[in-house]
Amino acid sequence: EVQLVESGGGLVQPGGSLRLSCVGSGFIFSTYYMSWVRQAPGKGLEWVANIKHDGSERYYADSVKGRFTISRDNAKNSLYLQMHSLRVEDTAVYYCTRERTYYDILTGPRFDYWGQGTLVTVSS
Amino acid sequence: QPVLTQPPSASGTPGQRVTISCSGSSSNIGFEIVNWFQQLPGTAPKLLIYSDDQRPSGVPDRFSGSKSGTSASLAISGLQSEDEADYYCAAWDVSLNVWVFGGGTKLTVL
Repeated sequence: EVQLVESGGGLVQPGGSLRLSCVGSGFIFSTYYMSWVRQAPGKGLEWVANIKHDGSERYYADSVKGRFTISRDNAKNSLYLQMHSLRVEDTAVYYCTRERTYYDILTGPRFDYWGQGTLVTVSS
Repeated sequence: QPVLTQPPSASGTPGQRVTISCSGSSSNIGFEIVNWFQQLPGTAPKLLIYSDDQRPSGVPDRFSGSKSGTSASLAISGLQSEDEADYYCAAWDVSLNVWVFGGGTKLTVL
């Protein structure tokens, strides 16, 4: 059974830092692109960042570029999101999601599994 | 403002057919595959449709997707009370190199 389990959320002051983690199981983690998607309270889904299966490329939403860093450790089946210079508007539930296999380039399921989410609250 | 445009709300009665639209541009929907997600209250999103019109195993065939040009649609036939949820479309944008989502459509079953 595929599972994604996030951790690391919590309350942090504006300007602070936080590191989120996500552990995947039940699939070959090293063959999948992975993404973080967030959802502010009462708002819609917002894609944050993704990383290729081998960590060689990463992309970011403009709203987090330069402040957040996505990384992975395939030996530990783990995905990370290092967040710096946090703002009130970064308050959200952050979901780890399995994006696609490295070989499903043109078609195939996207974001077919999601974690339960971890809440990040930025407030003084 | 979300890059993909969805109506904020939709509604229907049990048994009816409803459609939800998603409008984009030539750099996202017009170029890449569209995905649809269902989010029930208090839960993580669930993949409903991928590659424009494909259903993952376990998704009822009451749900269908289509695409034409820079717009996509999600249709739900035989509406049921458990379909009451938020629905989102998403596509990769080849110009921005980011995933773009619609703002979401809240479906109410009357």
